[in-house]
Amino acid sequence: GAVVSQHPSRVICKSGTSVKIECRSLDFQATTMFWYRQFPKQSLMLMATSNEGSKATYEQGVEKDKFLINHASLTLSTLTVTSAHPEDSSFYICSARVQGNTDTQYFGPGTRLTVL
Amino acid sequence: GQNIDQPTEMTATEGAIVQINCTYQTSGFNGLFWYQQHAGEAPTFLSYNVLDGLEEKGRFSSFLSRSKGYSYLLLKELQMKDSASYLCAVQGDSGGYQKVTFGTGTKLQVIP
Repeated sequence: GAVVSQHPSRVICKSGTSVKIECRSLDFQATTMFWYRQFPKQSLMLMATSNEGSKATYEQGVEKDKFLINHASLTLSTLTVTSAHPEDSSFYICSARVQGNTDTQYFGPGTRLTVL
Repeated sequence: GQNIDQPTEMTATEGAIVQINCTYQTSGFNGLFWYQQHAGEAPTFLSYNVLDGLEEKGRFSSFLSRSKGYSYLLLKELQMKDSASYLCAVQGDSGGYQKVTFGTGTKLQVIP
């Protein structure tokens, strides 16, 4: 159980275009999902907390107009990188929290974004 | 805020035991996680500690001391496939809501 999928796994786009990344909880309902970004040889940095049916909570320094998050259902959250630039190239990882005793997060496989 | 420290790199021999330490400072502590991350992949959950003591799960064990702000991950009978980064993550209070903060990770290299 507790499987999280992410799509696409890899995307290459031109500078100025927008890219949408989907995160799905396959076998459970996730009221809360998280979006992380990881640059090479660095740890995961939380970008935002996505709550089903409400606005996402963004971390300091993350532009909410650039990184649009939608959590329309209990099994799907999307991250749209708008007007992507080369510096947005990174590994984007979502996670979903399984409510219960451990309150554990399970991660999707990640999306590697390359902006040319 | 939250501050997490763990060694950057460690090397250990196949079949041996290795202990990866993590110290943290946080407000409103609500749990500590260990994740394993292979290069180019997303993290996978290893363990969760919220109370003091040792949690054992197969070859992996995790220890927590809340009073000392200290945890360690113990890997026994090391295998080559255990070469990976090990992330310590702490859940604590941040501006009124619970947030998980990750350490920078310890890159473990297992050698024959």
